[in-house]
Amino acid sequence: AQSVSQHNHHVILSEAASLELGCNYSYGGTVNLFWYVQYPGQHLQLLLKYFSGDPLVKGIKGFEAEFIKSKFSFNLRKPSVQWSDTAEYFCAVSQTGANNLFFGTGTRLTVIP
Amino acid sequence: KAGVTQTPRYLIKTRGQQVTLSCSPISGHRSVSWYQQTPGQGLQFLFEYFSETQRNKGNFPGRFSGRQFSNSRSEMNVSTLELGDSALYLCASSRVGTNEQFFGPGTRLTVL
Repeated sequence: AQSVSQHNHHVILSEAASLELGCNYSYGGTVNLFWYVQYPGQHLQLLLKYFSGDPLVKGIKGFEAEFIKSKFSFNLRKPSVQWSDTAEYFCAVSQTGANNLFFGTGTRLTVIP
Repeated sequence: KAGVTQTPRYLIKTRGQQVTLSCSPISGHRSVSWYQQTPGQGLQFLFEYFSETQRNKGNFPGRFSGRQFSNSRSEMNVSTLELGDSALYLCASSRVGTNEQFFGPGTRLTVL
């Protein structure tokens, strides 16, 4: 069965600090990978996605993620966080072409001004 | 283009009752998926509908069911509600040929 692990439950950073959130998945086949963000009081929004090709993908708001197939990882990065990045971040995986997403438990990011 | 809409936004029911939640996908999207979000279990996939047919199903009991109409709108139904069904129910839609899903705001169900 597919599973997704996000090892950081709560991360607290000061503005301008660099961010890296870990995501590891378990699945033997070809996968699509996603990072979603949920800002306080808002619905889930797609930050970025990996379907195929260049393993370094860039998303909205300066976020990027790197797919490392050998490590089954898809870590999210941002060089300099802002207070407005305070939110909960979810990593998700699906079998290629399927619409049933498996989500990690989420990482709550708090950015201190 | 309007996003995914879900109605109602909030519901309070008592144990044993049944509930129906509604989801209108983004115009042109034909796939609708449902998810349950709880503090303990996180986000879990319920089922997906495409062209009025259930295409995928998660690991939930038969009390959870759904359907999709010809205009791609979808409903999910939970019968014989239990306290543990209290959750945020999210609907997501996607276009044909992509599994990039767009989420609605959710329906917050509280079972007393």
